[in-house]
Amino acid sequence: QVQLQESGPGLVKPSETLSLSCSVSDDSISDYYWSWFRQPAGKGLEWIGRISGSGNINYNPSFKSRVDMSVDMSKNQVSLKLTSVTAADTAVYYCARRSTSGWFYDHWGQGTLVTVSS
Amino acid sequence: ETVLTQSPGTLSLSPGERATLSCRASQSVDSISFAWYQQKPGQAPRLLIYGASTRATGVPDRFSGSGSGTDFTLTISRLEPEDFAVYYCHQYAGSPLTFGGGTNVEIK
Repeated sequence: QVQLQESGPGLVKPSETLSLSCSVSDDSISDYYWSWFRQPAGKGLEWIGRISGSGNINYNPSFKSRVDMSVDMSKNQVSLKLTSVTAADTAVYYCARRSTSGWFYDHWGQGTLVTVSS
Repeated sequence: ETVLTQSPGTLSLSPGERATLSCRASQSVDSISFAWYQQKPGQAPRLLIYGASTRATGVPDRFSGSGSGTDFTLTISRLEPEDFAVYYCHQYAGSPLTFGGGTNVEIK
């Protein structure tokens, strides 16, 4: 069973860039689509965007001008960058792997809390 | 964007009771592109149902999904103690992917 682990700074200053990595335990990066989601405390889930192992990208229009995703197959990692962050970007961020059975996500990381504060 | 509205917001039930959770979409969603997730505090979402009615691997058969078009339902036939959690409906028919606001199933 593949394991996903998000990592990155837990505290980011307003107007700066949030950078997270998702480490994948096997060599499946090239074979799947990977998405980032987030969840503010006590609130629901929000999809940020997805990237395939070959670099096909689809972002949520709500983030389109601020988000960048990439894959690094040499490191088995998927990365997320979100620019010009504000307090509204404070959330738990999850990476997830798309299922082989459809465009839903059946493998999730445990999530990492990012707080935007000065 | 397809907006998903879940009801009720909170469901207070006792173990052994039946739970019925609803999700209404702002526009028709292809059933093959509809899912339900369970989330417990401090944990990532867990896939329960995809394709509106197919249980994910390892999901007990007390969980069932149904529905089509704009109205979908998750039923838990007999609540076990480990079923008390928040449940989210989710559509992946198009972009952006969207989720409902969640139904909290709490112990009465």
